[in-house]
Amino acid sequence: DTGVSQNPRHKITKRGQNVTFRCDPISEHNRLYWYRQTLGQGPEFLTYFQNEAQLEKSRLLSDRFSAERPKGSFSTLEIQRTEQGDSAMYLCASSRTDTVGTQYFGPGTRLLVL
Amino acid sequence: GENVEQHPSTLSVQEGDSAVIKCTYSDSASNYFPWYKQELGKRPQLIIDIRSNVGEKKDQRIAVTLNKTAKHFSLHITETQPEDSAVYFCAAKEPHNNNDMRFGAGTRLTVKP
Repeated sequence: DTGVSQNPRHKITKRGQNVTFRCDPISEHNRLYWYRQTLGQGPEFLTYFQNEAQLEKSRLLSDRFSAERPKGSFSTLEIQRTEQGDSAMYLCASSRTDTVGTQYFGPGTRLLVL
Repeated sequence: GENVEQHPSTLSVQEGDSAVIKCTYSDSASNYFPWYKQELGKRPQLIIDIRSNVGEKKDQRIAVTLNKTAKHFSLHITETQPEDSAVYFCAAKEPHNNNDMRFGAGTRLTVKP
């Protein structure tokens, strides 16, 4: 499968713990996006990388959230001191650098904070 | 920033009937409008997209129309099948803000056999 992959697919954690998710984009895509999706809603933009540079962060992204893409390939999203409101599906997408930038999504990581 | 509204939130049709989902957007500069299909527990999958210089695009049973003046675009599925049942999301992208793909809230389509 040469699509976007994410690990883990599911994560259950206790409130206050830290969690880290990984995204591996399509290899020739240099743009990588993180979204959060809650039940019954569309994906909400969190942050975006072009190569290793994190160019934009949404106001939704609190200080407890941090994302990295150290070598411009895979990316990690860390949530510190998780809260129950962080429970959601975290989706990663990648795209080429062109005028359209069609985004292709990974399968997501479903986070449940107890 | 861009604001995308999607209607209806749920849609139920009989197998073989057509389904239409509509979206409106607020930023007239938006120039790319993809539609994604998300089955339960799976990733959003791109099913069709349209650029602002095109009024209509078809791909087998799926078509998308765009009215730039009115700032709305629609997804049309003809001869619906039970496997079309899913949540469909529209999105709009601003050209000057590469990160900003705004999604609608989704339409849950149920096709009854």
